[in-house]
Amino acid sequence: AQSVSQHNHHVILSEAASLELGCNYSYGGTVNLFWYVQYPGQHLQLLLKYFSGDPLVKGIKGFEAEFIKSKFSFNLRKPSVQWSDTAEYFCAVIPTGRRALTFGSGTRLQVQP
Amino acid sequence: EPEVTQTPSHQVTQMGQEVILRCVPISNHLYFYWYRQILGQKVEFLVSFYNNEISEKSEIFDDQFSVERPDGSNFTLKIRSTKLEDSAMYFCASTTEKNIQYFGAGTRLSVL
Repeated sequence: AQSVSQHNHHVILSEAASLELGCNYSYGGTVNLFWYVQYPGQHLQLLLKYFSGDPLVKGIKGFEAEFIKSKFSFNLRKPSVQWSDTAEYFCAVIPTGRRALTFGSGTRLQVQP
Repeated sequence: EPEVTQTPSHQVTQMGQEVILRCVPISNHLYFYWYRQILGQKVEFLVSFYNNEISEKSEIFDDQFSVERPDGSNFTLKIRSTKLEDSAMYFCASTTEKNIQYFGAGTRLSVL
């Protein structure tokens, strides 16, 4: 069965700092990859996705992620965080042809003004 | 922007009671899902539903659970006899064929 690891459980940054959240997955076949964000009191929202093609994908709110197939990684980045980025971030995977998302444990990002 | 809506936002029940959690998926979506998140743990897949039948389910989705699409808009999750360990946040999601899942805000189920 596939699994997803997010190594950073809680990250605290100051505004304008750069962000990189790690995500690794274990699955032998092709996968679709996602990052979701959950702002306090709100529902899970899609930040960005990778299905195929350019491994560098851009999402909403200035976020991007890079798929590195050889490392089974899909790290999330943002060059300069804002206080409004305070949220929990979830990496998720679906093997091609399946429909169930497998989530990582989430990373809580706290941005201090 | 269309949304997945879930009701109630918080459900408190006694152990052994039946609960029904309700979801209204986005109107043109074809696939529907339930996930749950026990406090402090990962979001876990329960079941997917397409064309009025279960298309995939996890080991968690045992005989105590059932899903139904009773009309053209609602999608429900029933837990027949709740246990303490069923206490969790339950999320509904829906998607078109492109498999970008849109989530509701969740129902917090507290089993006492």
